[in-house]
Amino acid sequence: GENVEQHPSTLSVQEGDSAVIKCTYSDSASNYFPWYKQELGKRPQLIIDIRSNVGEKKDQRIAVTLNKTAKHFSLHITETQPEDSAVYFCAASIRTGGSYIPTFGRGTSLIVHP
Amino acid sequence: DAGVIQSPRHEVTEMGQEVTLRCKPISGHDYLFWYRQTMMRGLELLIYFNNNVPIDDSGMPEDRFSAKMPNASFSTLKIQPSEPRDSAVYFCASSSSRKYEQYFGPGTRLTVT
Repeated sequence: GENVEQHPSTLSVQEGDSAVIKCTYSDSASNYFPWYKQELGKRPQLIIDIRSNVGEKKDQRIAVTLNKTAKHFSLHITETQPEDSAVYFCAASIRTGGSYIPTFGRGTSLIVHP
Repeated sequence: DAGVIQSPRHEVTEMGQEVTLRCKPISGHDYLFWYRQTMMRGLELLIYFNNNVPIDDSGMPEDRFSAKMPNASFSTLKIQPSEPRDSAVYFCASSSSRKYEQYFGPGTRLTVT
């Protein structure tokens, strides 16, 4: 089955700095890559996603890049703010039937210091 | 839309007891997923349904775990008998075959003593 590695497990930055979280996956059949943000005690929520036919996608301060050849994808957050502090999960998803079935990374705890 | 609804939000039970977790997916969604989240193992997919039919239960840890979806608006995850190592947050999520995104419920925090 799919295996997703996520690094780092913890990332501490100063407000205003950039943060980068990296993931690798093993199954070349994966073709949809969502990123979720989970605040303490809350549910995971989708913040950005990318499909395999796109190399980069940006939404305001967040962006995701995908390298299918190397089987890795990354989340970039610029101008970090304290409210960005949360656990971020990447996932590699394989289309099965009418849906995408994700395998999640172990998560990155991002701490933004004011 | 109320989003995915789960109940109870917190459950504390003693080892050996039966536990039933409940989920109401978003109306119109035809996929429903059950996940378990722990510090040790992260977010694990336990089972998912399509149009109320279980498609893949390979993530269910043991025979003590069972899940049902009797209709499009209700699903249960049952643990019988429960054990302390079952303590975790259990999330239900739903999605539509017309879109990719999964919407998670608020989760049930289960503590087995």
